[in-house]
Amino acid sequence: RKEVEQDPGPFNVPEGATVAFNCTYSNSASQSFFWYRQDCRKEPKLLMSVYSSGNEDGRFTAQLNRASQYISLLIRDSKLSDSATYLCVVPDTGRRALTFGSGTRLQVQP
Amino acid sequence: SQTIHQWPATLVQPVGSPLSLECTVEGTSNPNLYWYRQAAGRGLQLLFYSVGIGQISSEVPQNLSASRPQDRQFILSSKKLLLSDSGFYLCAWSASVTEAFFGQGTRLTVV
Repeated sequence: RKEVEQDPGPFNVPEGATVAFNCTYSNSASQSFFWYRQDCRKEPKLLMSVYSSGNEDGRFTAQLNRASQYISLLIRDSKLSDSATYLCVVPDTGRRALTFGSGTRLQVQP
Repeated sequence: SQTIHQWPATLVQPVGSPLSLECTVEGTSNPNLYWYRQAAGRGLQLLFYSVGIGQISSEVPQNLSASRPQDRQFILSSKKLLLSDSGFYLCAWSASVTEAFFGQGTRLTVV
């Protein structure tokens, strides 16, 4: 099993739609998780941190299910500007590094 | 506030030529530093990380090397580039194993 797995997509949704991405991780000892957003040909930028069961920031909600070892990202009322690749990130405390999923591409269409 | 600088933004190099990419961080001390590579349409692959001066951990065997001559300087090098070294190279720092902050990246094309 890969350390961090994501559905690569692309997810093509109309403006205003609600879309959810899932991410599964293999290290049951992981305590914190992150969602990063990466625009085309740009560096990834932190979108949300998840330290407990979940986190909400405006239209974005991240949820953590430790028993099933997955993290989800929900985007409500999608905007054209939400089009990007969303990376699931799990810290590896053993290596003191972050392990990135391969990303899920979202395309919001007018 | 902390900032991270990475250069150059774009680089085209012939096969067999050397490589040196530099990354510096400002506004923090003793950061964890990372080099990642992203192939076109793919995820980020961790190449090297460093928790202190002179301390380098390599993640994958390759013809690249990294050095940390100063606390806030991280350098990625190669003596002879291969075509397969083409990609988007990203330097990042973090205070611990928490969120990482990335430089703007170097898009390397080996021809």
